[in-house]
Amino acid sequence: DIQMTQSPSSLPASLGDRVTITCRASQDIGNYLRWFQQKPGKSPRLMIFGATNWAAGVPSRFSGSRSGSDYSLTINSLESEDMAIYYCLQHNEYPWTFGGGTKLEMK
Amino acid sequence: EVQLVESGGGLVQPGRSMKLSCAASGFTFSHYDMAWVCQAPKKGLEWVATINYDGSNTYYRDSVKGRFTISRDNAKSTLYLQMDSLRSEDTATYYCVRGLNNWGQGVMVTVSS
Repeated sequence: DIQMTQSPSSLPASLGDRVTITCRASQDIGNYLRWFQQKPGKSPRLMIFGATNWAAGVPSRFSGSRSGSDYSLTINSLESEDMAIYYCLQHNEYPWTFGGGTKLEMK
Repeated sequence: EVQLVESGGGLVQPGRSMKLSCAASGFTFSHYDMAWVCQAPKKGLEWVATINYDGSNTYYRDSVKGRFTISRDNAKSTLYLQMDSLRSEDTATYYCVRGLNNWGQGVMVTVSS
């Protein structure tokens, strides 16, 4: 199975900060990588697909990038509504696997 | 508007069965692969199973193979998850997902005696 190692697990940040969350894939997954945002008591929301593409309605302060087997989600100028848990998912091959999640919280 | 509405969850004893349903609307159901993803209480997301658009191919995580069956009725725009031989570790919220884009609100399954 492909392991998605997500870091950090917790990320204290302040409004206006630039933050980056990373997932490292244990095998090649091409660009079959998605990022989801989940707020308490809510369903996950797709933010990024194909490693670098915005889902519909996602603010431009969110961006996805790839460097080799490392995939990153960056949020520029953090807003209060961005406080949530973020998950990466590889869907290059079965079983699809999620990263362990990053809890973005107020410092 | 895409809508996915899960139902069928609740409390069930270990070893028993439960069937989840997901009623889809707002899109052409028969055109999309569908999946179930679960989330144990206060834990992360786990992919459970996927079925392709016409039901001809299904895929499962190892821990549910032989116990869970994903199926669909395209005429009714409904996705199903038949869960047999349930275990306490199957306790989770189960989400119906369209093409990894759209998620239902989730349905809670609690396996406990």
